[in-house]
Amino acid sequence: DARVTQTPRHKVTEMGQEVTMRCQPILGHNTVFWYRQTMMQGLELLAYFRNRAPLDDSGMPKDRFSAEMPDATLATLKIQPSEPRDSAVYFCASGLPLTRSYGYTFGSGTRLTVV
Amino acid sequence: DQQVKQNSPSLSVQEGRISILNCDYTNSMFDYFLWYKKYPAEGPTFLISISSIKDKNEDGRFTVFLNKSAKHLSLHIVPSQPGDSAVYFCAASDSGAGSYQLTFGKGTKLSVIP
Repeated sequence: DARVTQTPRHKVTEMGQEVTMRCQPILGHNTVFWYRQTMMQGLELLAYFRNRAPLDDSGMPKDRFSAEMPDATLATLKIQPSEPRDSAVYFCASGLPLTRSYGYTFGSGTRLTVV
Repeated sequence: DQQVKQNSPSLSVQEGRISILNCDYTNSMFDYFLWYKKYPAEGPTFLISISSIKDKNEDGRFTVFLNKSAKHLSLHIVPSQPGDSAVYFCAASDSGAGSYQLTFGKGTKLSVIP
């Protein structure tokens, strides 16, 4: 089965450090999303790309978060500097929405803990 | 302002009985709705969807009902099985906006008791 691969699965870091999370979307999928899951907010959309172009990153704290897609096989989410409130599970998802099949495929997530 | 609401954080059901998970939305532009299931330490997996031109969609034990006038949808699982124990997320999309992004509810944790 095709899958979305996220690395690392777990990350513990100290406040102020840079964190980079990576995602390999399913080959051929043209849309990539970054979501964050917290107990309080549920699944929040942070940013998404279509055909590698950023379409919306309004869900991200602009001063510390950045999302890029350097090529079709890699999406990155970077936090610099990290803060304890960034502790959450970060999910990447990919799909082909224009096929009217909205069943985006999610990765297993990166659990981030900032101490 | 939460546009997709799942007001029940948890639900317990006996094995073999029906599970009904509810979801309300406020954005009248939403025209496509999905349910995802999530097990611990895994990402959400797509379960079933429904377009606003329909009021029901069925896939095996899973049926989603949509009431557009009430801005309400529900997921029925019949019969419920212990393996259905998971967190269920309702999601909605406004395809007219061209973004196809999904807005999620906070989830309902379903526990199916053997």
